[in-house]
Amino acid sequence: AQSVTQLDSQVPVFEEAPVELRCNYSSSVSVYLFWYVQYPNQGLQLLLKYLSGSTLVKGINGFEAEFNKSQTSFHLRKPSVHISDTAEYFCAVSAYSGSARQLTFGSGTQLTVLP
Amino acid sequence: EAQVTQNPRYLITVTGKKLTVTCSQNMNHEYMSWYRQDPGLGLRQIYYSMNVEVTDKGDVPEGYKVSRKEKRNFPLILESPSPNQTSLYFCASARRGDGTGELFFGEGSRLTVL
Repeated sequence: AQSVTQLDSQVPVFEEAPVELRCNYSSSVSVYLFWYVQYPNQGLQLLLKYLSGSTLVKGINGFEAEFNKSQTSFHLRKPSVHISDTAEYFCAVSAYSGSARQLTFGSGTQLTVLP
Repeated sequence: EAQVTQNPRYLITVTGKKLTVTCSQNMNHEYMSWYRQDPGLGLRQIYYSMNVEVTDKGDVPEGYKVSRKEKRNFPLILESPSPNQTSLYFCASARRGDGTGELFFGEGSRLTVL
């Protein structure tokens, strides 16, 4: 079964500083990769996704992520964060389980942007 | 407006009292799914449905039932709730269940079982 590891449960960072949220997964065979964001008291929203092609994926709100097949990683980055980026971020991996794809979420990283 | 609507948003109940959390989507999506979110565990899939009348177990189906009689609705049923089902529940939908597309989430239903 696929497993997804988000290495940091909490990341505090000052406003306008860069940030990287790390995500590693267990299987590199035919995976699709996603980052979702959850603002307080809301459901999850898609930030970006990697299906194929360029390994550098750009998403909404200035975020980007890089697919690294050899390291089975899909880290999320932003060069300069804002207070409004404070939220919980979830990495998710779609991989085959039997004959169907299953989406597995990581445990989440709480990003807190400090003034 | 495209959306996934869950009700109720908040519910406190007692052990053994049957309850249903409704979920409805207005995007004509084929795929729908239920997740529970617990601190430190992320989202875990309870049940999913690839289309009408087709449902299957996710990772944590014990104690839950679902049905998909219409494309837009996917209710989650707790026949005899227990305290370990206290959690934040999310319904989600996608155009297809092929794992490539965006999942659209409801705003969540916070359930407390006493």
